[in-house]
Amino acid sequence: AQKITQTQPGMFVQEKEAVTLDCTYDTSDPSYGLFWYKQPSSGEMIFLIYQGSYDQQNATEGRYSLNFQKARKSANLVISASQLGDSAMYFCAMREPRLDTGRRALTFGSGTRLQVQP
Amino acid sequence: SAVISQKPSRDICQRGTSLTIQCQVDSQVTMMFWYRQQPGQSLTLIATANQGSEATYESGFVIDKFPISRPNLTFSTLTVSNMSPEDSSIYLCSDKKAGYNEQFFGPGTRLTVL
Repeated sequence: AQKITQTQPGMFVQEKEAVTLDCTYDTSDPSYGLFWYKQPSSGEMIFLIYQGSYDQQNATEGRYSLNFQKARKSANLVISASQLGDSAMYFCAMREPRLDTGRRALTFGSGTRLQVQP
Repeated sequence: SAVISQKPSRDICQRGTSLTIQCQVDSQVTMMFWYRQQPGQSLTLIATANQGSEATYESGFVIDKFPISRPNLTFSTLTVSNMSPEDSSIYLCSDKKAGYNEQFFGPGTRLTVL
């Protein structure tokens, strides 16, 4: 079963509009972390935002916010006031203990390509 | 956030050769990881680099093909051995400091194997 699911291969948004990128996850561990990364065409992975499973409040970082719905196992990224520079791949990831090693490591979704149009 | 550098940033290599990628972090970190991103794909964890002991490899990755060293808490290397065109990927190192939730990545090494 997929641990992290991103159902939107591509999204378009008009400049200055808000956009929501979807992410659902699957885990039986009560302690986990959820991440969003941005990957521009240069290939670097840019950390955007983190949400812990025990956090009561939704995480926010500037124009980025994470809509965390624990019962639904969803962790959608909301980008407000989109800018042309937001055009990139966006990856959702989860960190949880590995069943075989017990170590915590990131598992990534397949990504969503966001294009911001002027 | 830790600053992570990788060398080389990109390389074009011949089939059958090996390439060693270096990852340097500007402060001591508990855990360092190596990931691979094949063209058009997501990131896959290759291994966790452990300071002073052998790396812990994920299913599908073996030490003979991807030997890893971590001589201290700020440095690690990944070697891609006996390369084939299927090894053409971006290789990224990542770190996590104890007590911090964030996990950061280096700029990546873009490898093309001819």
